[in-house]
Amino acid sequence: KQEVTQIPAALSVPEGENLVLNCSFTDSAIYNLQWFRQDPGKGLTSLLLIQSSQREQTSGRLNASLDKSSGRSTLYIAASQPGDSATYLCALMNSGYSTLTFGKGTMLLVSP
Amino acid sequence: ETGVTQTPRHLVMGMTNKKSLKCEQHLGHNAMYWYKQSAKKPLELMFVYSLEERVENNSVPSRFSPECPNSSHLFLHLHTLQPEDSALYLCASSQDWGFSTGELFFGEGSRLTVL
Repeated sequence: KQEVTQIPAALSVPEGENLVLNCSFTDSAIYNLQWFRQDPGKGLTSLLLIQSSQREQTSGRLNASLDKSSGRSTLYIAASQPGDSATYLCALMNSGYSTLTFGKGTMLLVSP
Repeated sequence: ETGVTQTPRHLVMGMTNKKSLKCEQHLGHNAMYWYKQSAKKPLELMFVYSLEERVENNSVPSRFSPECPNSSHLFLHLHTLQPEDSALYLCASSQDWGFSTGELFFGEGSRLTVL
């Protein structure tokens, strides 16, 4: 059974810092991996989707990488802003399962 | 409207009540999902519908009853719930279900409190 772990569970940084959120998984036979953002009490917003054949995806200040062999993905946020404060979740789809397995998320707080 | 819309946003019900959650997607997608999000736990998949047929039922108690009348609408009928069912219920959609699922789009969620 696929297990997804996100470290750290919570992170607090001052505005302007570059930061890395980690996601690890136990079964490398994945089809794709998706990073989401969730604001308190709200739904999930898709940030980046990486197919299994890809190594990374970029959108603005966000860069997500995928290393299937080591079972890891990272989400890099450049020049963090208070508006980036939210919970970030990674989710991946295993080949053959057709459903997403989610991590518990990293709660990020960016202070002005 | 665009995206995935859920109503109501907040719902309080007693254990003997019957209520329904509604989800509507305006993306032209073929697959729709119900997820449950409880505090300190990962999102749990409840049901998947593809082209209006249920393709996944993730061992969900029968007090939760899904309905998908067409590819744009998804309901979750609730009856005789327990306090531990209190959670954020999220609806999502994707272009297809299966190996070509692609990106998942979520609604804002329905916050359910069972007294």
